[in-house]
Amino acid sequence: GDSVTQMEGPVTLSEEAFLTINCTYTATGYPSLFWYVQYPGEGLQLLLKATKADDKGSNKGFEATYRKETTSFHLEKGSVQVSDSAVYFCALSDRGSGNTPLVFGKGTRLSVIA
Amino acid sequence: GAVVSQHPSWVICKSGTSVKIECRSLDFQATTMFWYRQFPKQSLMLMATSNEGSKATYEQGVEKDKFLINHASLTLSTLTVTSAHPEDSSFYICSAPRGGISNYNEQFFGPGTRLTVL
Repeated sequence: GDSVTQMEGPVTLSEEAFLTINCTYTATGYPSLFWYVQYPGEGLQLLLKATKADDKGSNKGFEATYRKETTSFHLEKGSVQVSDSAVYFCALSDRGSGNTPLVFGKGTRLSVIA
Repeated sequence: GAVVSQHPSWVICKSGTSVKIECRSLDFQATTMFWYRQFPKQSLMLMATSNEGSKATYEQGVEKDKFLINHASLTLSTLTVTSAHPEDSSFYICSAPRGGISNYNEQFFGPGTRLTVL
């Protein structure tokens, strides 16, 4: 079945450092790919998405590019802030409509220190 | 953005009792809702798909008689953990897809309910 693998955390960075969180996937079809963020005590929020190969999702300085050839969707940010401290989940939907459930990676906890 | 609420946000109960968790879409209608379970430091695992007006669809390994789902209206789905035991202690999260401008329906997540069974 479909699966998502993302790098183990926790990741601890200093403010203004560069962030990469790796995410790879396996899927039988052409999935849509997502990054969700979970801030302490809150629910999951959609950070960005890409629905087809070579699409780049971006939001709040975060970016991820849908790479079909490497089945990857790595999350990057050029300069992290303390407020970016959260748990980040990579996810896929094997039918892009959104009426299907998501398959999640295990999550990566990011801590940014001043 | 769209809002999905869950109630209660946390609950502690004795072993053998039943607990009901509500998931509401506050500003949109959802014919489908999803229930996930999240163990500490682990990912969200889909438990079941809640369908308004019909029976829920359960994932393999999820006991439908233990985790009762009722999609009572277009804005409410409930998950009842019957005869709860300590191993049912977990974080339960619901989500609901909402239609957008394109055919893509974004999923909105509730804040989760932490269940602790003593």
